[in-house]
Amino acid sequence: KAGVTQTPRYLIKTRGQQVTLSCSPISGHRSVSWYQQTPGQGLQFLFEYFSETQRNKGNFPGRFSGRQFSNSRSEMNVSTLELGDSALYLCASSSFGRLNSPLHFGNGTRLTVT
Amino acid sequence: EDKVVQSPLSLVVHEGDTVTLNCSYEVTNFRSLLWYKQEKKAPTFLFMLTSSGIEKKSGRLSSILDKKELSSILNITATQTGDSAIYLCAPFKGNRDDKIIFGKGTRLHILP
Repeated sequence: KAGVTQTPRYLIKTRGQQVTLSCSPISGHRSVSWYQQTPGQGLQFLFEYFSETQRNKGNFPGRFSGRQFSNSRSEMNVSTLELGDSALYLCASSSFGRLNSPLHFGNGTRLTVT
Repeated sequence: EDKVVQSPLSLVVHEGDTVTLNCSYEVTNFRSLLWYKQEKKAPTFLFMLTSSGIEKKSGRLSSILDKKELSSILNITATQTGDSAIYLCAPFKGNRDDKIIFGKGTRLHILP
């Protein structure tokens, strides 16, 4: 089974621009969650989608948004980029029975904002 | 508010040493606790602990949950340089709609 795939692997953007990151979950997994990882703050939860619906949201400003498509692929968008948005963005998928199955992570997208 | 605290935040030991990493949590409706290892990019799953006092083992790694103390430990014996990584813990809650929060991790560095 193919793992979680995130694209692109690396991105360099300038302040004020917007960016879209993509995540393809493991086949059959319907839950996709997104995390921001920075050295000081660790892994911080952004949001989770299940069957195209946002199931939960972390404490991030409205510049961070996401969506999920009918094939469970997910995208997250960050508008009006700030320097502090530089981070590793990880997505993770899990099967419907998330309570008993772990999250499977992709390799992440490294975003650098200059 | 839910809280997850890992200690130590950073640890440097020599190859062959044994290390113990700690994870303390305060979450409502706790169901299970997960451990992950992150070497370069993707955190990889190590253990899921649901029952208190039952040790889970995988090679030189083992972990146990203490629901009374709201904590878990991850032990690594006879450490190798390949064990150098960030170790993350995350408590799962009992409701699928609850968000999953991670501790800040323990950065472990093994010296040859």
